[in-house]
Parts: sequence; C-alpha cells; structure tokens
Amino acid sequence: KNQVEQSPQSLIILEGKNCTLQCNYTVSPFSNLRWYKQDTGRGPVSLTIMTFSENTKSNGRYTATLDADTKQSSLHITASQLSDSASYICVVSAGGNQFYFGTGTSLTVIP
Amino acid sequence: EAGVAQSPRYKIIEKRQSVAFWCNPISGHATLYWYQQILGQGPKLLIQFQNNGVVDDSQLPKDRFSAERLKGVDSTLKIQPAKLEDSAVYLCASSRGGNVSYNEQFFGPGTRLTVL
Repeated sequence: KNQVEQSPQSLIILEGKNCTLQCNYTVSPFSNLRWYKQDTGRGPVSLTIMTFSENTKSNGRYTATLDADTKQSSLHITASQLSDSASYICVVSAGGNQFYFGTGTSLTVIP
Repeated sequence: EAGVAQSPRYKIIEKRQSVAFWCNPISGHATLYWYQQILGQGPKLLIQFQNNGVVDDSQLPKDRFSAERLKGVDSTLKIQPAKLEDSAVYLCASSRGGNVSYNEQFFGPGTRLTVL
C-alpha cells in the first residue's frame, strides 16, 4: 500500500534553534518527493523537490535529504524564525499525476 | 504567472444546506485537483480532472458531493446536503498534466467550510 508517514506530528522550538522533520514512504514506483510549507489559512507551497538520484537539496535555511534505499527523507530547518511556524507536508509522486500526501508536521517557533 | 484562485475563502452553513466552491487553475494547466483537508490532517484527494474528464473520483462521496469542469478550465465542487463532518478546508490545485517529469502541483488558498 502506498503510504507517506511523517514525524513528529507537532513540534515546538525556540527561535534561532534548528530542527529536523522526518518523512518515511512506501510509494512505488517513486518519481520524486516534495516538501511543502503550509501557512495557516493558505494552500501548501513547494519548498524543495528531490528525485531518485539526489541526496541533498537546499533552499535557503531549508535542507532536504533523501535516502532512496531506506525510503526516508528529512527536512532540516536552520536558525528557525517565527515565520517558519507552519505545517510541513511531505508529498511523494509515483509519476504523472499520482501524488501521496503525508499528514504533516505542525511546527511552532516561539520567541 | 497568476496562481490558483478559489472562492469563497470562508463559508458557514447549517447542516443539510447546500454549498458550492469555485476554482480557477493556472492558465494552461490541464490537471485540476480538489482536496479535502480536515484540521490537523494532510489533504485527501476528492477528485482529479484531466482537462474536462474525470481521472480519479474514488474518494468522492458521490451521494452528496459533485464536481464538474465543463470547459476544461475552471471547476466547481458542490456539497448537497452538507453534514457536520464536511467541515474542512477545500483545496484546489492544478498542474501541467500529461507525462511531465517533476510535475508540480500549485495550490490555491483554500475555502474553509464550517457546517453548524
């Protein structure tokens, strides 16, 4: 069964600290994996895309990693800011227009 | 390019009433998706269109939900009659469609529905 699981479900960190969000998937075939950021009251916005051959990709303070062998991905946020408070959703594509969504990690950054 | 537009942004109705949501995808995007996102959960696909044809509606509660995309551009999602458990954010997304590598979905802001 194609599934995407994320952990932790929620996370609270102090401003300026780093954090790592996890995504495990069983989707097959695998095309790519995206991390989305969803601010409260808004639709998800893509942060990074990882393909099978990529191990690491950065977008500013966001760094995503992918281990295609273990089917795990992580999103590392460096020097967190209050504006990083949001839900982070991992989405795995099986190719074409097939997308599998994780349940998201709710991140709260406090001053 | 302009993003995915949705309206209304918020809607409050009583159970057993009807409601309709509208979505205008990014110009040129062939694939359109409607998702239901319950608070604290990830989006759940309700229906997927390729141009004006339905690709996947396996999770659409067809006894009360309907959707159409008559001209292959904008789309409407209707709930009739609404139930309390329909309270959620309804997200519309679009993508280029076809056999495109790294096909990205672009999401609208969503419509927050509250059923009382």
